[in-house]
Amino acid sequence: DGGITQSPKYLFRKEGQNVTLSCEQNLNHDAMYWYRQDPGQGLRLIYYSQIVNDFQKGDIAEGYSVSREKKESFPLTVTSAQKNPTAFYLCASTPAAAYNEQFFGPGTRLTVL
Amino acid sequence: GQSLEQPSEVTAVEGAIVQINCTYQTSGFYGLSWYQQHDGGAPTFLSYNALDGLEETGRFSSFLSRSDSYGYLLLQELQMKDSASYFCAVRDGGNQGGKLIFGQGTELSVKP
Repeated sequence: DGGITQSPKYLFRKEGQNVTLSCEQNLNHDAMYWYRQDPGQGLRLIYYSQIVNDFQKGDIAEGYSVSREKKESFPLTVTSAQKNPTAFYLCASTPAAAYNEQFFGPGTRLTVL
Repeated sequence: GQSLEQPSEVTAVEGAIVQINCTYQTSGFYGLSWYQQHDGGAPTFLSYNALDGLEETGRFSSFLSRSDSYGYLLLQELQMKDSASYFCAVRDGGNQGGKLIFGQGTELSVKP
């Protein structure tokens, strides 16, 4: 089955530790995105990538980093510089011709203790 | 900059019709999309309007008026499973590609 996988579903980390969230897609989509969602809030864009080896900052990129070495993979690292990292993180992808229809993974709920 | 406004909460009864409005401000316009998100789940794409008018997909319809910078999602024959958050989204007019700006979401509660 084609889709987007994110792992793990729940993640706990101690304050001050970097953590990497995985996002893989087998839809052959060109563009991939990372969003952050806080309780009762909308989706805020962290980073996005339209092609391999290229990515752009979204609205809340501070304290996060990404890489896009393969078309299928777009991992997100939450660094210790992110002041309030506890949130629900969603990865999405789209084909180049249909940017308005994003396909989302199941999300990773990160809790920093 | 880009911004979208939608009501934070809407309540309706099973079998009824509900309309969720969305107004937007963008520097360019490349279409209005709607997404559904159940509690704890991932958003799923519902519909997209690039041109004025009504798009119908089963019980859900979406409307767009570009001159009014306004759209709405219409849900008919409401079912309990329709209880979810609904987000409108627009493409970033200043970007060559696929950056979407999402509204804050409308939480729909369907009562028996």
